[in-house]
Amino acid sequence: GEDVEQSLFLSVREGDSSVINCTYTDSSSTYLYWYKQEPGAGLQLLTYIFSNMDMKQDQRLTVLLNKKDKHLSLRIADTQTGDSAIYFCAESISAGSYQLTFGKGTKLSVIP
Amino acid sequence: EAQVTQNPRYLITVTGKKLTVTCSQNMNHEYMSWYRQDPGLGLRQIYYSMNVEVTDKGDVPEGYKVSRKEKRNFPLILESPSPNQTSLYFCASSFSKGGPSVSFGSGTRLTVV
Repeated sequence: GEDVEQSLFLSVREGDSSVINCTYTDSSSTYLYWYKQEPGAGLQLLTYIFSNMDMKQDQRLTVLLNKKDKHLSLRIADTQTGDSAIYFCAESISAGSYQLTFGKGTKLSVIP
Repeated sequence: EAQVTQNPRYLITVTGKKLTVTCSQNMNHEYMSWYRQDPGLGLRQIYYSMNVEVTDKGDVPEGYKVSRKEKRNFPLILESPSPNQTSLYFCASSFSKGGPSVSFGSGTRLTVV
């Protein structure tokens, strides 16, 4: 079955770049997503990438996809304290783009 | 405003007392689903529904029921809650085709004592 793996914790200093990594197993996934969950809140879709793309940039966020290695990363430039949250990687299963399999989440702590 | 609305946000109940968590979306989405979030386990899908009167089990369906009598509503029912169902629950909805459109509710924190 599908599996999505991510490291559980990451600490960075304010102003540095953060890189959150994710690996997945389903080679037929169509979309890969990054969600952000702030303390006490729901999930907010940050960005996504279609599986035929290598990179997507959106302001401070850069998503890199290495389809050969099934590796996805999220880079946050100039990390701010407001970026402190849990970040979930998710993939859509081959049956359609609406079925999501989530990783366990990476807790990003930003040190002032 | 387009949104997924869950109620209640917080609920404390006792073992065995039936409860329902409601979920409603106003985006005419066909697809709706329920997840539970537990520390160190991420989000796991409980049940999903691809349209009215069409529901199916996710990864962790034991102890839960759902119904989809109307397109906008997808309640989660715990007939006899147990302490291992203490968790944070999220409802989500999406169009069934056409790309990433998954929206999540704000979550329901359930404690079963």
